[in-house]
Amino acid sequence: EVQLVESGGGLVQPGRSLRLSCAASGFAFADYSMHWVRQAPGKGLEWVSGINWNGAKMHYADSVKGRFTISRDNAKNSLYLQMNSLRGEDTALYYCAKSAGTTTLNFDYWGQGVLVTVSS
Amino acid sequence: QSVLTQPPSVSGAPGQRVTISCTGSNSNIGAGYDVHWYKQLPGAAPQLLISGNSNRPSGVPDRFSGSKSGTSASLAITGLQAEDEADYYCQSYDSSLSGSSYVFGTGTKVTVL
Repeated sequence: EVQLVESGGGLVQPGRSLRLSCAASGFAFADYSMHWVRQAPGKGLEWVSGINWNGAKMHYADSVKGRFTISRDNAKNSLYLQMNSLRGEDTALYYCAKSAGTTTLNFDYWGQGVLVTVSS
Repeated sequence: QSVLTQPPSVSGAPGQRVTISCTGSNSNIGAGYDVHWYKQLPGAAPQLLISGNSNRPSGVPDRFSGSKSGTSASLAITGLQAEDEADYYCQSYDSSLSGSSYVFGTGTKVTVL
């Protein structure tokens, strides 16, 4: 059974940093691209960042480019999101999501999400 | 800001058929990128409902169907049931001169009357 479990969220002041983690199990983690998708309270889904299977290619939404860094450790079956210079508009539930395949541009499994609140 | 537009809400009585539209542009759906659909129950994570425009993952009832034409796509739910009450999102990929990214629709709340 595929499981994605996020951690590391919490309340943080504007301008500070936070690191999210996602522990994956139940599939060959090293074979798949992984992503972070967020959802602000009461709002829709927004793709944040993605990383390819070996960590060589990373992509970011314009809204987080230069502030967030995605990474992975295939030996630990883990995905990370380093979030710096946090802003109020970064407040959201952050989901870890698995790419459905090498050619499909969608997400077939999602974690339950971790809440990040940016406020003074 | 979402680049795929969906109606904010649709509703129907049990047993009825409802459809949700997803309107994009020539840099995403119209460029040939597939459309995918997700269902999100209150307080839960999204779950893949339709992949590659019209393919249902294992376990998804055949009451759900998807289609794509031009710069738009649609999700149809036939035989509406109480458990279909949820938020639904379309998703595609967008590639333009300013860059590429995964894009989601604005979301549609389905209410079963």
